Amino acid sequence: SQTIHQWPATLVQPVGSPLSLECTVEGTSNPNLYWYRQAAGRGLQLLFYSVGIGQISSEVPQNLSASRPQDRQFILSSKKLLLSDSGFYLCAWRQTENNEQFFGPGTRLTVL
Amino acid sequence: SQQGEEDPQALSIQEGENATMNCSYKTSINNLQWYRQNSGRGLVHLILIRSNEREKHSGRLRVTLDTSKKSSSLLITASRAADTASYFCATDRRGSTLGRLYFGRGTQLTVWP
Repeated sequence: SQTIHQWPATLVQPVGSPLSLECTVEGTSNPNLYWYRQAAGRGLQLLFYSVGIGQISSEVPQNLSASRPQDRQFILSSKKLLLSDSGFYLCAWRQTENNEQFFGPGTRLTVL
Repeated sequence: SQQGEEDPQALSIQEGENATMNCSYKTSINNLQWYRQNSGRGLVHLILIRSNEREKHSGRLRVTLDTSKKSSSLLITASRAADTASYFCATDRRGSTLGRLYFGRGTQLTVWP
């Protein structure tokens, strides 16, 4: 069966510091992968998606970047965090057959 | 941008009562999906209804879809305290590439024991 992992679970970082969040998927190959951000009390905003190694598409211009160095690894990064980067970050992969998405447990990021 | 819009934003009921949440969207879809999110956790897929379906059941869940009104409803029957969570609808927009889903802001359901 497929599983998706994210770490760390929580992170508190100062403004201006770098960021690296990691997502890995097991039990499937060549998945479509997604990074979402969820602000408090809000829905999900799609940040990045990837259809394969090295292929990244960005939905909104922002302070963040993403990379996919391996088939089942998706990384969200920033060189210098802003206060507005605080939020709950979710990674997901897509089941191709009916576009059902499966989410990781999320990372709670607080930028102070 | 957000696609689905759920209402109500918050719903508070007693155990045993039914909970109904609604979702509206704006464009043609391939399917509409409902997800559940417990506080501070990831989203869990509940049910998917295709654009050519009108109603679907899964356990205590009943989903309806009215494509002419571009709306869907999620009914949870005989609710339990464990049903307390946020519920999101997401649309698979027709013509969309790469499997992107559009999520609403969600309904926060609280079920009191």
